[in-house]
Amino acid sequence: AIQLTQSPSSLSASVGDRVTITCRTSQGISTSLAWYQQKPGKAPNLLIYDASTLESGVPSRFSGSGFGTEFTLTISGLQPGDFATYYCQQFTSYPLLTFGGGTKVEIK
Amino acid sequence: QVQLVESGGGVVQPGGSLRLSCAASGFTFSSYGMHWVRQAPGKGLEWVTFIWRDGSKKWYADSVKGRFTISRDNSKDTLHLQMNSLTVEDTAVYYCAIDFRLGILTYWGQGTLVSVSS
Repeated sequence: AIQLTQSPSSLSASVGDRVTITCRTSQGISTSLAWYQQKPGKAPNLLIYDASTLESGVPSRFSGSGFGTEFTLTISGLQPGDFATYYCQQFTSYPLLTFGGGTKVEIK
Repeated sequence: QVQLVESGGGVVQPGGSLRLSCAASGFTFSSYGMHWVRQAPGKGLEWVTFIWRDGSKKWYADSVKGRFTISRDNSKDTLHLQMNSLTVEDTAVYYCAIDFRLGILTYWGQGTLVSVSS
């Protein structure tokens, strides 16, 4: 099974900061990667798919990049509503999906 | 608009059974595969199972294979998850999600909590 490793597991940042989260996969997955945001008590919300395509309605301060085994999610100009936990997910082995362990973005 | 509403969660003893449901609306349910994803308290997301749009094919995570059964009733726009031989490790919020785009999960339900405890 493909394993996804996110780093860091948590980070502290201030409003306006640029934040980067990394997701590494145990084998190459081309661009078959999605990113989700999850707030406490809520279901995950899709942000990015195909590694870099922004989901409709998601602010442009979110961006994704990467190919193969290393991917990044960048938030340019952190907003108060962005403090949440972020997950990467691979779908190359569809319909068997796997998620990263999550990165919690907290207020500094 | 697309809506998924899970139900059936609750407290059950180890070794017990529970049946979850996910009522779908706002889209043509019979045209899409469906997933269950779970999240243990304070933990990350874990994919559980998937069913093809017509129910003809099913896939399971190793952690639930042989104990959980996914099914669907396209006449009632409802997805089910029959969970048997439950253990404390199955304690989690269970979400259903639509597979509109081959593994990209655009819509999720609000989740239903399953607590396995003696």
